[in-house]
Amino acid sequence: DAKTTQPTSMDCAEGRAANLPCNHSTISGNEYVYWYRQIHSQGPQYIIHGLKNNETNEMASLIITEDRKSSTLILPHATLRDTAVYYCIVRVATRGGADGLTFGKGTHLIIQP
Amino acid sequence: DTAVSQTPKYLVTQMGNDKSIKCEQNLGHDTMYWYKQDSKKFLKIMFSYNNKELIINETVPNRFSPKSPDKAHLNLHINSLELGDSAVYFCASSQEGPRLSTDTQYFGPGTRLTVL
Repeated sequence: DAKTTQPTSMDCAEGRAANLPCNHSTISGNEYVYWYRQIHSQGPQYIIHGLKNNETNEMASLIITEDRKSSTLILPHATLRDTAVYYCIVRVATRGGADGLTFGKGTHLIIQP
Repeated sequence: DTAVSQTPKYLVTQMGNDKSIKCEQNLGHDTMYWYKQDSKKFLKIMFSYNNKELIINETVPNRFSPKSPDKAHLNLHINSLELGDSAVYFCASSQEGPRLSTDTQYFGPGTRLTVL
């Protein structure tokens, strides 16, 4: 799986959009970009994933650049409960065999009141 | 309803003991996983298992063994516990779907293991 680079930490004001960048310059054509987050003392939680098109769900939006070498996770209206470590993971989604996730250090997002 | 549950939530034990952590998922998924999160917060895959194969991370000592009595359960047995085994252990599950991109993983709340 391709390696990802994320800032160690970020702050965002409550109610504002939180934009979390991720660089994955060595991504392959068949690798997806996944985002998970881990709130303190909880298990990781899936947020969103995409291949090359921008994606949106009830939690967030994912913007992937045209060359697919970087992406941005957007939390449109951040709340205090969004304070967590956010992980950007690049991987091939496989079938016919289980494949674990490779977590990096992630970005510690702190939402300020 | 809890999708992926683990017991116990906390486990404190002495070095050299043998212990088990249980994991159950009610999502009907066919693949389950065990991850270890150490004191530096690095989260690493230990095992993944479905009804076809067990994939073991080669760095995991053979003192650790997963046991799956049925598709909804994947328990983690640890023999001869060592101080370095202290960590938070997470169970997860996923479903292989018709589309390759649908293997989202759902995690349990974690089991904090402390070896004294």
